[in-house]
Amino acid sequence: DARVTQTPRHKVTEMGQEVTMRCQPILGHNTVFWYRQTMMQGLELLAYFRNRAPLDDSGMPKDRFSAEMPDATLATLKIQPSEPRDSAVYFCASGLGSTGTRTDTQYFGPGTRLTVL
Amino acid sequence: DAKTTQPPSMDCAEGRAANLPCNHSTISGNEYVYWYRQIHSQGPQYIIHGLKNNETNEMASLIITEDRKSSTLILPHATLRDTAVYYCIVRVAGGSEKLVFGKGMKLTVNP
Repeated sequence: DARVTQTPRHKVTEMGQEVTMRCQPILGHNTVFWYRQTMMQGLELLAYFRNRAPLDDSGMPKDRFSAEMPDATLATLKIQPSEPRDSAVYFCASGLGSTGTRTDTQYFGPGTRLTVL
Repeated sequence: DAKTTQPPSMDCAEGRAANLPCNHSTISGNEYVYWYRQIHSQGPQYIIHGLKNNETNEMASLIITEDRKSSTLILPHATLRDTAVYYCIVRVAGGSEKLVFGKGMKLTVNP
């Protein structure tokens, strides 16, 4: 049963520290999404990639957040420096990407729960 | 992408059908209706989507009105594990692929 995996599942850090979250998309999926969920804002799209190229990162604070796909099996989301307001659950999702058909389901990972003290 | 309106919460008895409504009165002709759900502490899970015809899969049925301004997700025999927040989303297939999640609707299935 193919799944999106995310590491770490939980992360507690102090303000100012660098945080790196990792995602392994489902093998063969060409589109990867990063979402953030908080009680106040709900689920928000931060960025997404197609074939490892960034397509949209307009939801991401540019000064401290960065997202990359070093290869097709790994996506990373980095926060440097981290702030308490970054505390949230960060979800990665992958999909086959739409080619004008209906088959564009997104499969979500279990999330990384980040707490910045 | 068109916006959707869902009631904030709904209760359902275990074993009964759960009918979850969604209004999307500004939906465009090329926008699909998607349903996802999020069980507590888990990532969202795809349920079903459709354009204008009713759809059914192993999880649920999706009934879209003829004018496409509203739809209903039906869980035919709700179980306690169906307790979750359900999101109704409309967007263009083949477009930007963003999923814009609203507040969703909390379904509580009671024993």
